[in-house]
Amino acid sequence: GQQVMQIPQYQHVQEGEDFTTYCNSSTTLSNIQWYKQRPGGHPVFLIQLVKSGEVKKQKRLTFQFGEAKKNSSLHITATQTTDVGTYFCAGPADRGSTLGRLYFGRGTQLTVWP
Amino acid sequence: DAGITQSPRYKITETGRQVTLMCHQTWSHSYMFWYRQDLGHGLRLIYYSAAADITDKGEVPDGYVVSRSKTENFPLTLESATRSQTSVYFCASNPRTPSYNEQFFGPGTRLTVL
Repeated sequence: GQQVMQIPQYQHVQEGEDFTTYCNSSTTLSNIQWYKQRPGGHPVFLIQLVKSGEVKKQKRLTFQFGEAKKNSSLHITATQTTDVGTYFCAGPADRGSTLGRLYFGRGTQLTVWP
Repeated sequence: DAGITQSPRYKITETGRQVTLMCHQTWSHSYMFWYRQDLGHGLRLIYYSAAADITDKGEVPDGYVVSRSKTENFPLTLESATRSQTSVYFCASNPRTPSYNEQFFGPGTRLTVL
C-alpha cells in the first residue's frame, strides 16, 4: 500500500545549527504537505508543494519537492528554540475512494538545546 | 470563528466502558478525519468521512465506531474501551478543493483507559 517514510525519527541540535528532515514515498505524489506540531499541541499546516523540483522558503525554512515527486525535504537554517517540535510530511492518496486522505510520515522530533 | 473543536479535552475511563469523543467544525468542510497519536507511531488514521453519511476505515479502525449524520459533526465512539486505546486523539477537517487541500486539526483529546 501507499507509504510515506520519514527520517530521522529524532534530531537533537544545538541552537544555531542546521536541521534537515527527509520524506520518501513509495509512489509518485501529486503534492506533498508539511506540518509542525509543537510539544503538547496539534499539527499545524506549514506548506504544500505541487511541482516537480519545487523549492519554497519560509524565512529560515526551505522546502523541496524532488524531481520525481517521490521525495521531499525540510531544511531549517540556524535553528532556534522556537523550532522545537515534530515535523510531519504527508502525501495525498491517489485512488478513487481514498481521495481526500493524507498519508503521514511518522515525523521527525526536533530538540534544540541552547 | 471557532474552527474545529474537540470535547472533552481530557478523559479518564475504565476498561470496558463506552466512550464518545466529539468533534465539531464550523467551516462546512466535506472531509473529516480521526487520528490517534502514540509515541513512536506518529499519526495513525482511524476513520475518515468524505461527506455526511459517508465513512471509511483507516489504518487502525478496530474497536472504534464513527457516524456522520451532519456535515459539522464527526463523533468517535470506543464501544468497549481497552488500555491499548489510551492515546491522544485528533480530529481534522479538509475542504478538499482543487487548490485547498490542507488538513485543519482540532486541539486533541487525551484519553486514558485504566
